[in-house]
Amino acid sequence: KQEVTQIPAALSVPEGENLVLNCSFTDSAIYNLQWFRQDPGKGLTSLLLIQSSQREQTSGRLNASLDKSSGRSTLYIAASQPGDSATYLCAVLRFTGGGNKLTFGTGTQLKVEL
Amino acid sequence: GAVVSQHPSRVICKSGTSVKIECRSLDFQATTMFWYRQFPKKSLMLMATSNEGSKATYEQGVEKDKFLINHASLTLSTLTVTSAHPEDSSFYICSARVLAGGAEQFFGPGTRLTVL
Repeated sequence: KQEVTQIPAALSVPEGENLVLNCSFTDSAIYNLQWFRQDPGKGLTSLLLIQSSQREQTSGRLNASLDKSSGRSTLYIAASQPGDSATYLCAVLRFTGGGNKLTFGTGTQLKVEL
Repeated sequence: GAVVSQHPSRVICKSGTSVKIECRSLDFQATTMFWYRQFPKKSLMLMATSNEGSKATYEQGVEKDKFLINHASLTLSTLTVTSAHPEDSSFYICSARVLAGGAEQFFGPGTRLTVL
């Protein structure tokens, strides 16, 4: 059974700081890994998707890396802003007998303070 | 592109009533839609996979008679919570996969269900 863990569970940083969010998964047989952002009471916003054959993806101030063999991914946020405050979720997609399934991590709640 | 909507965004109902939540893919066709449930400050848990024109596949521990799923067209899936109870109160999110478009799922904005 795939388990996805995110560390830390919560993080509070001053504005402007660079930060790293961590995601680990137990089964390396994944198709892709995706990072999402979720604002309170809202749905998911996809940030970055890394295919299993890729090592990293970048979008603006965000950079996500993937080390499939060790079961790890990191989301790097440069020059953090108060608007980055949200919960960040990673999810891995795997093929199962019952079809393709996304397994979500436990989330990191980020607060960027002025 | 690849926009998914949910209706309603919020619903409050009395215990014992049934509630229907709609998930629509607005600008694409989706053979497969997924229903997730999220408890406060918890992650998303897959409830079921909905395939157009066939029966849904439910995850272990999810009661199929409690959570009825219908996927009658390539742009609409519905989740009906039957005889809702306070413990069914949760945030329900659907996602859809583009027809012949690969494995990426696009997520709806979620529906907050509160059962009194």
